[in-house]
Amino acid sequence: AQSVAQPEDQVNVAEGNPLTVKCTYSVSGNPYLFWYVQYPNRGLQFLLKYITGDNLVKGSYGFEAEFNKSQTSFHLKKPSALVSDSALYFCAVRDRDGGYQKVTFGIGTKLQVIP
Amino acid sequence: GAGVSQTPSNKVTEKGKYVELRCDPISGHTALYWYRQSLGQGPEFLIYFQGTGAADDSGLPNDRFFAVRPEGSVSTLKIQRTERGDSAVYLCASSILAGLGNEQFFGPGTRLTVL
Repeated sequence: AQSVAQPEDQVNVAEGNPLTVKCTYSVSGNPYLFWYVQYPNRGLQFLLKYITGDNLVKGSYGFEAEFNKSQTSFHLKKPSALVSDSALYFCAVRDRDGGYQKVTFGIGTKLQVIP
Repeated sequence: GAGVSQTPSNKVTEKGKYVELRCDPISGHTALYWYRQSLGQGPEFLIYFQGTGAADDSGLPNDRFFAVRPEGSVSTLKIQRTERGDSAVYLCASSILAGLGNEQFFGPGTRLTVL
């Protein structure tokens, strides 16, 4: 079985400050990891993914995430938050070794960037 | 190019009725996924198609739910004898290949309300 935990329902950060949205995962084998963002009244949009190789991955809108195998984490980060980053963020995992296509999503973390 | 489209955007029905939800994936995408998202939750996997066949339907909650993709493009999610608990946003996503590391592109969703 695979699972994702996003321990924070909401993260508040001042504009211009660095932000972190936390994600931990559990899979039987090795993971593919994804971050998606959901703006109000819009569909989920892909931000970035970890497949293999460099543990630090860079994605859209200046976001990045670091894969940490020993801590089974894939936290989303951005050096300087913008008010327009305020949205709902979802972490997702797929078991690379299981041969399955099922993607498991976390419950989401609401990011609020305060002007 | 056009993204994933879903129709209708909203559907209100009465308990016990039959509904069909349509998904039109990005042209050329061979993989298609259906998810259900309840309020305050992440997307919950329902079914995955590779081409015309349902490669994984392990997320369908019961036999009232069924999905087809007869020509390997448009897909229809069918719900029989709807119940109030079926109320949710139904999301469709597609990806270019069946490779496990490929990100998914989501449609805007269909909001189903069962009265």
